[in-house]
Amino acid sequence: AQSVTQLDSHVSVSEGTPVLLRCNYSSSYSPSLFWYVQHPNKGLQLLLKYTSAATLVKGINGFEAEFKKSETSFHLTKPSAHMSDAAEYFCVVSAPHNKLIFGAGTRLAVHP
Amino acid sequence: NAGVMQNPRHLVRRRGQEARLRCSPMKGHSHVYWYRQLPEEGLKFMVYLQKENIIDESGMPKERFSAEFPKEGPSILRIQQVVRGDSAAYFCASSPSGEGYGYTFGSGTRLTVV
Repeated sequence: AQSVTQLDSHVSVSEGTPVLLRCNYSSSYSPSLFWYVQHPNKGLQLLLKYTSAATLVKGINGFEAEFKKSETSFHLTKPSAHMSDAAEYFCVVSAPHNKLIFGAGTRLAVHP
Repeated sequence: NAGVMQNPRHLVRRRGQEARLRCSPMKGHSHVYWYRQLPEEGLKFMVYLQKENIIDESGMPKERFSAEFPKEGPSILRIQQVVRGDSAAYFCASSPSGEGYGYTFGSGTRLTVV
């Protein structure tokens, strides 16, 4: 069975400092992994997607994530946070029948 | 291309009423998925449909909930006799095929049961 654990429910950083949002996954086969972002009262936007090609995946808005099979992790990083990055972030793993399994989310706060 | 269109954006229902949520997929997309997001939680899969077929409804509650995607018109998620616990954001997504996870999500319908 597939599952996702986001290790932090809240992360707070200062503007201009690095961002690290942690995600561990469990899957019975080689999964596809995703990070989505949700701004308040908005829909979901795909940040990036891993599908068994390069293990370092670059996404939009300067985000990237590294797939580490040995650690079953897919952490999201950004070198320098902007105020506009404040949002809810979801780590997602693929499941059969084209379904997605979402983590519980990490709320990122960015302070001036 | 207008993207995935969901309406209404906000819906208020009294306990016991029916809620009908609509989703028009992106042009060219024939696969539709419904997800529910309870407050302070991630999204949970409900149902996967193609035109006139339910492919996977393993996430649908056994009672009061139904979904359809007719040959013509939008996909409909129907909740009968709503209860307070049905209050949530309901997201629809569409994809051009049944593989590759090439989803596009709509902006959601926020259902409030009073």
